[in-house]
Amino acid sequence: QKEVEQDPGPLSVPEGAIVSLNCTYSNSAFQYFMWYRQYSRKGPELLMYTYSSGNKEDGRFTAQVDKSSKYISLFIRDSQPSDSATYLCAMSLGSGANNLFFGTGTRLTVIP
Amino acid sequence: GAVVSQHPSWVICKSGTSVKIECRSLDFQATTMFWYRQFPKQSLMLMATSNEGSKATYEQGVEKDKFLINHASLTLSTLTVTSAHPEDSSFYICSAKKGPETQYFGPGTRLLVL
Repeated sequence: QKEVEQDPGPLSVPEGAIVSLNCTYSNSAFQYFMWYRQYSRKGPELLMYTYSSGNKEDGRFTAQVDKSSKYISLFIRDSQPSDSATYLCAMSLGSGANNLFFGTGTRLTVIP
Repeated sequence: GAVVSQHPSWVICKSGTSVKIECRSLDFQATTMFWYRQFPKQSLMLMATSNEGSKATYEQGVEKDKFLINHASLTLSTLTVTSAHPEDSSFYICSAKKGPETQYFGPGTRLLVL
């Protein structure tokens, strides 16, 4: 079993829809949770960064962490064609640990 | 901000030659940088962790003599692919650690070995 599971999609939604992207994980020691957006042939771009359980909002993006269920989500409101990309969840153990554990990425297409 | 650059953005080389890729943190200092490899439609695969002033730590299965990493300053790490072969063709991405847990990624370098 992988430490981080993410549905690879692809996921297609109409413009303006609410998008829900999710990851589950098995290691309860993960403390920091991140979402990256990667456009084709580009490096990943950090979108959201949260510590422990709870919600964090930034514009149209909301990150949600439920440590009791080992489940994290990224919601995108009013999705735009420019949101079309691959979204990677990542998490780390904290306490100075270097490694990030990535999901496989979900490929999202927002149709105009 | 947290900007990481990579150079070159793409490179084509002949089999048997060596290729150097630079990774720079432009607006912050990074004691730790990372090198990843990414195959089409796959997630990132960590190759090695680069610490300023010390030897890199390689992941299992990554040949340290083939992928030479040098982290000579707090803003620069280099990856040299030695004696490149077609199977080394890939998308190489670096990241730099800022703060306790966050990594910021470079734009990637596409390597094609003929």
